[in-house]
Amino acid sequence: QVQLQESGPGLVKPSGTLSLTCAVSGGSIDNNNWWSWVRQPPGKGLEWIGEIYHSGSANYNPSLKSRVTISVDKSKNQFSVNLSSVTAADTAIYYCARWYMGYFDHWGQGILVTVSS
Amino acid sequence: EIVLTQSPATLSLSPGERATLSCGASQRVSSSYLAWYQQKPGLAPRLLIYDASTRATGIPDRFSGSGSGTDFTLTISRLEPEDFAVYYCQQYGSSSITFGQGTRLEIK
Repeated sequence: QVQLQESGPGLVKPSGTLSLTCAVSGGSIDNNNWWSWVRQPPGKGLEWIGEIYHSGSANYNPSLKSRVTISVDKSKNQFSVNLSSVTAADTAIYYCARWYMGYFDHWGQGILVTVSS
Repeated sequence: EIVLTQSPATLSLSPGERATLSCGASQRVSSSYLAWYQQKPGLAPRLLIYDASTRATGIPDRFSGSGSGTDFTLTISRLEPEDFAVYYCQQYGSSSITFGQGTRLEIK
């Protein structure tokens, strides 16, 4: 059973860069899947951030594209997200998830990241 | 970008009743790329339905999905206490993924 686990700082300063990693276990990141990041501001809905394939090919939410980079490390079976120039509006629970043929079938537990000085 | 609009925003029902949740799309969505999720407080979303009408592994048959084009529906035939949660629809198209804003299903 594939499991995903997010890690990273829970507090980021305004104008800084948010960096999170998702460790994949129980399966290879090299499989025929895309790996995504989704976020959820407190009390609000879900927003897709972007996705990456093991080859390094990535797609991003147009509204975040100028600030987001998603990368993959096959040797560690993990993928990461960097979000630059953060503001309070980027405060959210950040989830990593496996994308499979049109839907997210496995999710991490999520990590709360707060943007504050 | 395809915008998904869910209705109602909040649905108040009693256990045993039937729930009908709607998801409307601003453009045609391929049925292969329409999914529904359930989210309970403090937990990650859980996949319920994919391909518009296929139940995910382990999902009870009281959950069903239907629809095509721009109008999709999630039906819970007979509500159990554990079904009260927030439900999201999600679509994929043109290398972009969007979610509806959610329907909160609450106990009446």
